[in-house]
Amino acid sequence: EVQVLESGGGLVQPGGSLRLSCAASGFIFSSYAMSWVRQAPGEGLEWVSGISGGGGGMYYADSVKGRFTISRDNSKNTLYLQADSLSAEDTALYYCAKGGFFEPFNYWGQGTLVTVSS
Amino acid sequence: EIVLTQSPGTLSLSPGERATLSCRASQTVDSNYLAWFQQKPGLAPRLLIYGASTRATGVPDRFSGSGSGTDFTLTISRLETEDFAVYYCQKYGISPITFGQGTRLEIK
Repeated sequence: EVQVLESGGGLVQPGGSLRLSCAASGFIFSSYAMSWVRQAPGEGLEWVSGISGGGGGMYYADSVKGRFTISRDNSKNTLYLQADSLSAEDTALYYCAKGGFFEPFNYWGQGTLVTVSS
Repeated sequence: EIVLTQSPGTLSLSPGERATLSCRASQTVDSNYLAWFQQKPGLAPRLLIYGASTRATGVPDRFSGSGSGTDFTLTISRLETEDFAVYYCQKYGISPITFGQGTRLEIK
């Protein structure tokens, strides 16, 4: 059974940083692109970043480019999102999803909540 | 960036009726990379359709996707109570990946 489980969210002050993690199981992790998608409270879905299976290709939404860094450790079946210079506009539920680029987003975690507030 | 515009914003229908949801793109979208998701309150999105018309695993056949170019449609042939939710279209493939703003399907 495919599972993805996010962690690392929490309350952070403006200008602060967080590192989100996503532990995956049930599939050959290194063979698939992975992505982060966020959803602000009461709002729609926003793609944040994606990374290829081997980790060599990384892409970002303009809204986070230069502040967020996506990475993966295929030996640990884990996806990461380093989020720096956070602002209130980054407050959202952050989902990890299997898929990205040319692969459909066919499995999603339940999300980890990031709240940016003083 | 390709902007996806969904209509209507809210659709009020009764169980048993047919639902037609629209997704219009600002530029041509490769049909291979157009998807539809369903989201219920408090839950993660669920993939319904990918490649514009291919149902994902376990999705009932009352859900169908169609379209090409800039106009895509999700049709639910006969609504069941469990289908009332928010639906999003998505363009994936070449970055950036974008989502429509969503259509809320509510019980009339």
